[in-house]
Amino acid sequence: QSALTQPRSVSGSPGQSVTISCTGTSSDVGGHNYVSWYQQHPGKTPKVMIYGITKRPSGVPDRFSGSKSANTASLTISGLQGEDEADYYCCSYAGSNTPWVFGGGTKLTVL
Amino acid sequence: QVQLQQSGPGLVKPSQTLSLTCDISGDSVSSNSATWNWIRQSPSRGLEWLGRTYLTSKWYNEYALSVKSRITIKPDTSKNQFSLALNSVTPEDTAVYYCVRERNTFFDCWGQGTLVTVSS
Repeated sequence: QSALTQPRSVSGSPGQSVTISCTGTSSDVGGHNYVSWYQQHPGKTPKVMIYGITKRPSGVPDRFSGSKSANTASLTISGLQGEDEADYYCCSYAGSNTPWVFGGGTKLTVL
Repeated sequence: QVQLQQSGPGLVKPSQTLSLTCDISGDSVSSNSATWNWIRQSPSRGLEWLGRTYLTSKWYNEYALSVKSRITIKPDTSKNQFSLALNSVTPEDTAVYYCVRERNTFFDCWGQGTLVTVSS
């Protein structure tokens, strides 16, 4: 069982928006501003889409955005495209005992 | 451009030690602005951070509580690489293992992944 809770799956039609949630505790998501999101296509390595809750690395489309409220972080993808179909994982800093924890992953299907 | 190249066996017998190495090009294991991590992925456990090594004023190693009694991560500055040793493995340790660089609080560069199967 993963430390952070994500929905198993979400779906949306091209052009629509979807939001993926990532729920933790005050020891991880709620207690630090180091939440990142990773996109993983089948057979590929994860790629960072969002870091520091809201920041986008260069090259990531501005259709991807992040936010946080209390112990829940969210990734929103607007203007869905077929290439966005992938698994998405959240990750948070969790303090000195186990510095990094992941969510269980969410499968995004573009209908 | 930073590249991480993993090597090591893909099959390990139960109770033995899983050993992997990660060669770094385009950066240094002694960098003050990066940490060097091992992360694994399996269908049952998803992505799981295992541990890291990094240099500030001295070398530090930090490990996940779930594997802390069984894991060692070591830097090798002469070869610009770092390694993973996980002992007393069971079939539950079967996973794809990644070496990963962390900079600026996110994981920005991943090795190609090594599927390690624990089986007799």
